[in-house]
Amino acid sequence: DADVTQTPRNRITKTGKRIMLECSQTKGHDRMYWYRQDPGLGLRLIYYSFDVKDINKGEISDGYSVSRQAQAKFSLSLESAIPNQTALYFCATSDRGARGANVLTFGAGSRLTVL
Amino acid sequence: AQKVTQAQTEISVVEKEDVTLDCVYETRDTTYYLFWYKQPPSGELVFLIRRNSFDEQNEISGRYSWNFQKSTSSFNFTITASQVVDSAVYFCARPRPGANSKLTFGKGITLSVRP
Repeated sequence: DADVTQTPRNRITKTGKRIMLECSQTKGHDRMYWYRQDPGLGLRLIYYSFDVKDINKGEISDGYSVSRQAQAKFSLSLESAIPNQTALYFCATSDRGARGANVLTFGAGSRLTVL
Repeated sequence: AQKVTQAQTEISVVEKEDVTLDCVYETRDTTYYLFWYKQPPSGELVFLIRRNSFDEQNEISGRYSWNFQKSTSSFNFTITASQVVDSAVYFCARPRPGANSKLTFGKGITLSVRP
């Protein structure tokens, strides 16, 4: 089994629908992240969580919310999906480690299409 | 924001050619880390290397080598004798200033290696 599992892997939905992307990890890491990838834009951070009680906005959090249900679970929600949220979404984890040195372990990605 | 710039967007080479992927970063930190990640066609992101700013020695791992030059704020990646399996998108990344673990990614370079 993968260290970081994302579900669903692919999802097509309609504008206005609520969507949840789920992420679970077996790495035992405290830190979890949601990134979004768009062609030509690289990866951009949506939200991150350094422990179960800690939730922080990233650079593009508008239109998204997250829930850290447990150390191993971090879900991303789109309350009312819109077409420009069509993208590839990645969950990642890292341990605490030295400042700025943490290696991210990524899930396989969730491709979301909003029609 | 302190950026990571990957000026090359797409590179196409013939198998066995050497290829260098450029990465230029901005920083006001005296200590920082730099990373390269690979995204093969299957989509997952794979960690390749992490380099501490204190260590300017070049790194070699098999056909892969990295040239870190603080004087030019560059952290370039060279693949020697490229192979078709090297075809992927390659991302350079660095942590955000003062932000433990939150990586800023470049826009990525798509490398195509033709047989």
